[in-house]
Amino acid sequence: GAGVSQSPSNKVTEKGKDVELRCDPISGHTALYWYRQRLGQGLEFLIYFQGNSAPDKSGLPSDRFSAERTGESVSTLTIQRTQQEDSAVYLCASRYGQPDQPQHFGDGTRLSIL
Amino acid sequence: GNSVTQMEGPVTLSEEAFLTINCTYTATGYPSLFWYVQYPGEGLQLLLKATKADDKGSNKGFEATYRKETTSFHLEKGSVQVSDSAVYFCALTTLLSGGYNKLIFGAGTRLAVHP
Repeated sequence: GAGVSQSPSNKVTEKGKDVELRCDPISGHTALYWYRQRLGQGLEFLIYFQGNSAPDKSGLPSDRFSAERTGESVSTLTIQRTQQEDSAVYLCASRYGQPDQPQHFGDGTRLSIL
Repeated sequence: GNSVTQMEGPVTLSEEAFLTINCTYTATGYPSLFWYVQYPGEGLQLLLKATKADDKGSNKGFEATYRKETTSFHLEKGSVQVSDSAVYFCALTTLLSGGYNKLIFGAGTRLAVHP
């Protein structure tokens, strides 16, 4: 498609369950980012991929969070044993070219932990 | 460390009023600066950018000038419309030692424009 696609758009799950969020970046975009946006707050950086490798995982809040990317395309963000504080909108962005080029964002996945 | 501070909202204006949303930053090196907008129910969209000092980014009637001396990137529009109601995020990106960047966002400013 023309833009960054994320699925599901909404996810409601019980505390303690695992969830998997998917991001399809714009075709040809080698850089991919995951961010988290808590209610009423700005975006927190989670992880960055260049191709299939993740040189910066510094924003992942705990070892319950992991992410992978395959084929220099789709990325999945997995949260294990979810907690209520994981409730947020998870945003994916992709970028083409030089690092100072803008990132293009998906519409996000709204995650609610009951 | 790198950070972005923007004015707290909400900002409430009447249609055709002048808008300013202040943004200041702290960064090492030479950051690129961005304004992103998030309309209700939609994802983040790039509104405008500036990559070096004294550059002016502009789009849809919005403008922001990269001021290195005051470390600011204030967003302005001469005459707002109801359709401009959204949350506006100021952000910067700097080139890190690994040869990549990440965006550092401000907390966002909600703008509500009334007819």
